[in-house]
Amino acid sequence: DARVTQTPRHKVTEMGQEVTMRCQPILGHNTVFWYRQTMMQGLELLAYFRNRAPLDDSGMPKDRFSAEMPDATLATLKIQPSEPRDSAVYFCASGLWGGGGQPQHFGDGTRLSIL
Amino acid sequence: AQSVTQLDSQVPVFEEAPVELRCNYSSSVSVYLFWYVQYPNQGLQLLLKYLSGSTLVKGINGFEAEFNKSQTSFHLRKPSVHISDTAEYFCAVSGDQGAQKLVFGQGTRLTINP
Repeated sequence: DARVTQTPRHKVTEMGQEVTMRCQPILGHNTVFWYRQTMMQGLELLAYFRNRAPLDDSGMPKDRFSAEMPDATLATLKIQPSEPRDSAVYFCASGLWGGGGQPQHFGDGTRLSIL
Repeated sequence: AQSVTQLDSQVPVFEEAPVELRCNYSSSVSVYLFWYVQYPNQGLQLLLKYLSGSTLVKGINGFEAEFNKSQTSFHLRKPSVHISDTAEYFCAVSGDQGAQKLVFGQGTRLTINP
């Protein structure tokens, strides 16, 4: 059963440090999404890619966040410098572009705590 | 623009009782509708989806949902819940083809009491 893999599952670090989260989408999927989940804001879409090209990153704070897809099997989300308000669970999801109503498949998330 | 409203933030029910989780959406275009479930410390898992055709959609774990275009609703139901159904449930809408971005509701926390 194919799954989206996210690493690390948990990350605790101090304010000001760089944080890198990684995602391996399901093989063959050509769309990748990054979400952030908090109690206050719920699920927020940060950015998404199609065929490795960024389509929309309007949900992402540009000054400290960056998202890339170095190749089709790896997506990264970086925060530099990190701040306590970035503490959240970050999810990656992948899917197929094309055809009606293709669902997104989610990883188990990276739980990030910034002290 | 699309939006999703889940009318109940928390729903407590007793085991083996029926449950309905309510979802209303707004969209100016044809929509695809989804229900996802999130168990503790896990990602979201697809329960079911409505694309077209029959307005009653059956999903995994005994859940079903009914699409009502006139009421712009997509309520999720299960006739008899189990302790293992305790989770957060999210309704989502997508207005285009493919795995385009989803607009999620705020979620409904379903708690099953013995």
